[in-house]
Amino acid sequence: DTAVSQTPKYLVTQMGNDKSIKCEQNLGHDTMYWYKQDSKKFLKIMFSYNNKELIINETVPNRFSPKSPDKAHLNLHINSLELGDSAVYFCASSPNRVSSEQFFGPGTRLTVL
Amino acid sequence: DQQVKQNSPSLSVQEGRISILNCDYTNSMFDYFLWYKKYPAEGPTFLISISSIKDKNEDGRFTVFLNKSAKHLSLHIVPSQPGDSAVYFCAASASGTGNQFYFGTGTSLTVIP
Repeated sequence: DTAVSQTPKYLVTQMGNDKSIKCEQNLGHDTMYWYKQDSKKFLKIMFSYNNKELIINETVPNRFSPKSPDKAHLNLHINSLELGDSAVYFCASSPNRVSSEQFFGPGTRLTVL
Repeated sequence: DQQVKQNSPSLSVQEGRISILNCDYTNSMFDYFLWYKKYPAEGPTFLISISSIKDKNEDGRFTVFLNKSAKHLSLHIVPSQPGDSAVYFCAASASGTGNQFYFGTGTSLTVIP
């Protein structure tokens, strides 16, 4: 049973394209997150949703748009991909928005050529 | 602006000995800390946590120590086992920030059989 799943696992695309990464959690959690891990292994939060409501929106380009159709899903859409977007993107969830452990998906490695 | 730092990128320890992983933070508002373990091609998995009202938390072979005055925490693994070989991330958050965690860049632990 996969708790937090992401698709695709690998994504290779050309600059300028638009792509989406999907995330689903079957843990019944209220809160979901997107993180970016860059080439320096720095894991940085991008967005957080609580019950489909955006609660954390760090300084990321507006080419990145999260969408939460329901509390079990948080998708990440990226427009006009750039070379610097190449990274591993992790989705995570937690029971609620109060300090608690987060459960991570396996990551999506995005390579922009 | 890296608020959580792990200054040792790697650590090698003999099996059976103690592993000590260190983490420093700069934000005095942080009051909840987590350690995550990450294997290659997988997402981070939660290991142990500590609240700022404690200075020590123990779970089996894993103990986390918190020194608030020094803004320092450490993870002790005793005894170390080859299966502990992984990258360890520390993360910190402040109450009221919607579970927004700041991660360090990780320490790669190798336990030598």
